[in-house]
Amino acid sequence: GNSVTQMEGPVTLSEEAFLTINCTYTATGYPSLFWYVQYPGEGLQLLLKATKADDKGSNKGFEATYRKETTSFHLEKGSVQVSDSAVYFCALSDVGGNQFYFGTGTSLTVIP
Amino acid sequence: EADIYQTPRYLVIGTGKKITLECSQTMGHDKMYWYQQDPGMELHLIHYSYGVNSTEKGDLSSESTVSRIRTEHFPLTLESARPSHTSQYLCASSAVNTDTQYFGPGTRLTVL
Repeated sequence: GNSVTQMEGPVTLSEEAFLTINCTYTATGYPSLFWYVQYPGEGLQLLLKATKADDKGSNKGFEATYRKETTSFHLEKGSVQVSDSAVYFCALSDVGGNQFYFGTGTSLTVIP
Repeated sequence: EADIYQTPRYLVIGTGKKITLECSQTMGHDKMYWYQQDPGMELHLIHYSYGVNSTEKGDLSSESTVSRIRTEHFPLTLESARPSHTSQYLCASSAVNTDTQYFGPGTRLTVL
């Protein structure tokens, strides 16, 4: 079956530090992969996505590469800001785009 | 920017009350979803719909019910609220043949 395994949190970083949040997946076929971000008191917002192997999704300085050989989709940012403090979810959708599978979320706190 | 709305944003009610959480989207999406988000942040799919008059139960057993009479509207009803229903409820939608879900801001429900 399909599933997503995400790095446990919480993660605390100083401003301008490098961020990596690990995500691996199990899926049949070729799913699409996503990172969503949830700010306090809000719903999830799409951060970036990749739809096929070796695709790199990027947005707001964040990026992630769809690695089929390692079944991974790690989120990275070179220099985090206080405003990046949020919960990050890795997700995949099945080939038909009907069902979505979310990781457990990783809380990130960036301190000045 | 996704146009998906949830009301109310916050609700505190007593045990045994009947409540309806509203979700509407103006994007014409056929697919809609309800998730329950526990305090540990994990998302659990409780209901989904692929179109008008179509509703299905999700992975997490829930005492709630849903209806889909209009494309844009997907309300969730609890006939008799209990403290165990205290949670954040997130509504999402996506278009047919696309693989991206868009989320509403959520309803935070507290049952006393």
